[in-house]
Amino acid sequence: RKEVEQDPGPFNVPEGATVAFNCTYSNSASQSFFWYRQDCRKEPKLLMSVYSSGNEDGRFTAQLNRASQYISLLIRDSKLSDSATYLCVVSRFGGGADGLTFGKGTHLIIQP
Amino acid sequence: DGGITQSPKYLFRKEGQNVTLSCEQNLNHDAMYWYRQDPGQGLRLIYYSQIVNDFQKGDIAEGYSVSREKKESFPLTVTSAQKNPTAFYLCASSIGGVGELFFGEGSRLTVL
Repeated sequence: RKEVEQDPGPFNVPEGATVAFNCTYSNSASQSFFWYRQDCRKEPKLLMSVYSSGNEDGRFTAQLNRASQYISLLIRDSKLSDSATYLCVVSRFGGGADGLTFGKGTHLIIQP
Repeated sequence: DGGITQSPKYLFRKEGQNVTLSCEQNLNHDAMYWYRQDPGQGLRLIYYSQIVNDFQKGDIAEGYSVSREKKESFPLTVTSAQKNPTAFYLCASSIGGVGELFFGEGSRLTVL
């Protein structure tokens, strides 16, 4: 299994729909998990951290499943502005941003 | 406004030439990083620095060099030894530990 795997998509979703995608990771010792958003030809920006108990930020919900080693991102009531590439980021060991592994990203297209 | 400034945004270089990419931050962050992104690929860590006058190799340091003489600045030199330098280069900083990475807008290097 690759360190961090994501379905590259693209996911074509109508505006207002709910969309979810997963990211699997191979290192069971990973401690920290994040979702970053990257617009076309721009820099990544933190969307949300992923906590063990799951967390929500407005229309976005992130969950962690340690047993199956995956994290998920759910977007409700999708907007045109949600169109972007979503990067899954996992720490390889206990701490230090130098230990982060980036997935290749899932491309999301919200259609009017 | 606080942030990270990378320059130049676009750079063309002939084979065999060294080129230096600038990265300056005014966030007062201790840690700084250089990543490389290729089309359809995840970000890969080139070098990182957690304090002034100290830096460490990342996963793909060959053909690159850095310096950290000031807290605010972390320039990256792409040397002629780098076999495939055409890529999108992203500089980032963080407070330290596994926290949010703040990215600059990136530098696109094309080797002709």
